[in-house]
Amino acid sequence: AQSVSQHNHHVILSEAASLELGCNYSYGGTVNLFWYVQYPGQHLQLLLKYFSGDPLVKGIKGFEAEFIKSKFSFNLRKPSVQWSDTAEYFCAVNAKNSGAGSYQLTFGKGTKLSVIP
Amino acid sequence: NAGVTQTPKFRVLKTGQSMTLLCAQDMNHEYMYWYRQDPGMGLRLIHYSVGEGTTAKGEVPDGYNVSRLKKQNFLLGLESAAPSQTSVYFCASSYRAIGYGNTIYFGEGSWLTVV
Repeated sequence: AQSVSQHNHHVILSEAASLELGCNYSYGGTVNLFWYVQYPGQHLQLLLKYFSGDPLVKGIKGFEAEFIKSKFSFNLRKPSVQWSDTAEYFCAVNAKNSGAGSYQLTFGKGTKLSVIP
Repeated sequence: NAGVTQTPKFRVLKTGQSMTLLCAQDMNHEYMYWYRQDPGMGLRLIHYSVGEGTTAKGEVPDGYNVSRLKKQNFLLGLESAAPSQTSVYFCASSYRAIGYGNTIYFGEGSWLTVV
């Protein structure tokens, strides 16, 4: 079974600072990778996803993530954060084309981002 | 196009009471899922369904039952609610299996408190 680790529980940044949130997964096969964002009181929204191809994935709102297969990592980055980026961010992994495992999306425990104006 | 709709949005239950959460999707998706979200735990899969009339257990199925009598609806039942089931519940759906490149869509959540 797959698992996901998000290293930071809570990150506090000032506006315009650069952001990098760590995500590592554990699974022996091929994976699909996702980052979701949850604004306070709202449901999860997809930021970006990696299925195949270019390991540098660009998403909405200026976010990007890089899949490094050798490190089992899929870190989320943004060059300059805004107050409106305050939210909780979840990394998720899905086992590609693997029968029952392909139905399931396994989430990390989340990283809360607080951006100070 | 409403997407994934959950009812009710908020509910307070007493220990031992039963209730059903309803999830409806209008995207003709085959797959539907129920997750629970707890602080510091991320989202954990309770049950899922790969088509009308089918259900399967996820990571944390104990204390819950589900039914998928119609393709567009996925019901989550708590037969005898316990305080440990206080959580935010999210329903989701996807056209086919996520592992084959399909996107999963989430509902807006149902806040359940068991006292």
